[in-house]
Amino acid sequence: GAGVSQSPSNKVTEKGKDVELRCDPISGHTALYWYRQRLGQGLEFLIYFQGNSAPDKSGLPSDRFSAERTGESVSTLTIQRTQQEDSAVYLCASSISGTGGYEQYFGPGTRLTVT
Amino acid sequence: AQSVTQLDSQVPVFEEAPVELRCNYSSSVSVYLFWYVQYPNQGLQLLLKYLSGSTLVESINGFEAEFNKSQTSFHLRKPSVHISDTAEYFCAVTGGTSYGKLTFGQGTILTVHP
Repeated sequence: GAGVSQSPSNKVTEKGKDVELRCDPISGHTALYWYRQRLGQGLEFLIYFQGNSAPDKSGLPSDRFSAERTGESVSTLTIQRTQQEDSAVYLCASSISGTGGYEQYFGPGTRLTVT
Repeated sequence: AQSVTQLDSQVPVFEEAPVELRCNYSSSVSVYLFWYVQYPNQGLQLLLKYLSGSTLVESINGFEAEFNKSQTSFHLRKPSVHISDTAEYFCAVTGGTSYGKLTFGQGTILTVHP
């Protein structure tokens, strides 16, 4: 079946511009996660959606970052007024549930470059 | 808060040699532990996980990891590596109020030489 998809695969933007990154999770997965990976660093948690519960936004680095999810489907991560330190690979993952140690399935990522 | 430390950023080995990739975690609550692998030009995928029960867990391609609660470690081992095992390996933890979201280590690049 189809895995997690993300678009665009690459995005180059100028400092100060807004960007939107999209994630389509695996159908039927109630949990959705966003992570980012900056060069030479591990994955850093950003935000987590679980069903209709309020999202866990504890990993968002600043108020320039926000994310939405439509029901149990597509999610959009928005970065406003981008800065050079936002350059990273943004990864989306989904799982059947957010509890119980279920496997998270990762998308291919969006490589964001802020110039 | 939880944290994961992968002690080696790069591990070069020769084909058919044994390898150990080290992972230590910090958590005040019970945890679930994972190893994810990222092969060149591919996405991140689960290699193996520890949830409960036997402390030794295995993957289908010959890797194993042992949960050691007293040493807060979850080291990954393989007795004989192949060229195809060349990849970046990430250790991750979740648990307590953080159930769901993964805390990752910084990754270990395993390079297998012929």
